[in-house]
Amino acid sequence: DIVVTQSPDSLAVSLGERATINCKSSQSVLYSSNNKNYLAWYQHKPGQPPKLLIYWASTRESGVPDRFSGSGSGTDFTLTISSLQAEDVAVYYCHQYYSTPRTFGQGTKLEI
Amino acid sequence: EVQLVESGGGLVQPGGYLSLSCAASGFTFSSYAMSWVRQAPGKGLEWVSVISGNGGNTNYADSGKGRFTISRDNSKNTLYLQMSSLRAEDTAVYYCARSSCHGGSCPLDYWGQGTLVTVSS
Repeated sequence: DIVVTQSPDSLAVSLGERATINCKSSQSVLYSSNNKNYLAWYQHKPGQPPKLLIYWASTRESGVPDRFSGSGSGTDFTLTISSLQAEDVAVYYCHQYYSTPRTFGQGTKLEI
Repeated sequence: EVQLVESGGGLVQPGGYLSLSCAASGFTFSSYAMSWVRQAPGKGLEWVSVISGNGGNTNYADSGKGRFTISRDNSKNTLYLQMSSLRAEDTAVYYCARSSCHGGSCPLDYWGQGTLVTVSS
């Protein structure tokens, strides 16, 4: 099974500052035949379902503000929020869909 | 508009059985793989199971193998999760989610609001 580990577990960032969350998979999620990284990022707020932010490691989902960006390849990935807004307070998860069982990181709680 | 509405959650005793449903609308249901993901109280997201668009392929997390069965009825646009031999650690909010492709090796782009399953005596 692919183990996905996020860091840090929690993060406090000032409004307008940059937030960076890291995700490391225990094996590569890069599929060589199509050069795609099978990794996504989700935002989860209390009382709501998770929301897809980024897929294929760096493709922003439609409607997601451009302050959210994803980067990385192979086993190491990063979610960056360039200028933190109050509405970005949430738990963020990375998720590999390269192989089954699909796995999520443990989550990173982002606070102001 | 894509909508996913779960139902069937509730209180069940340890060792008991529960069947969850997820009614889908707003898209061609049979064209997309579907997944179940759960979140135990105070814990993170845990992937449970996936089924391909035609129902021919299924996969499960180790935690549910042999106890959970995922299925779908494409004529009714409905996804199911049958859970047996339930344990206290199965207590969670269960979400159904759509994979953005038929086979399932895709991100989960739409999620339902979730249904709470509580396993307790």
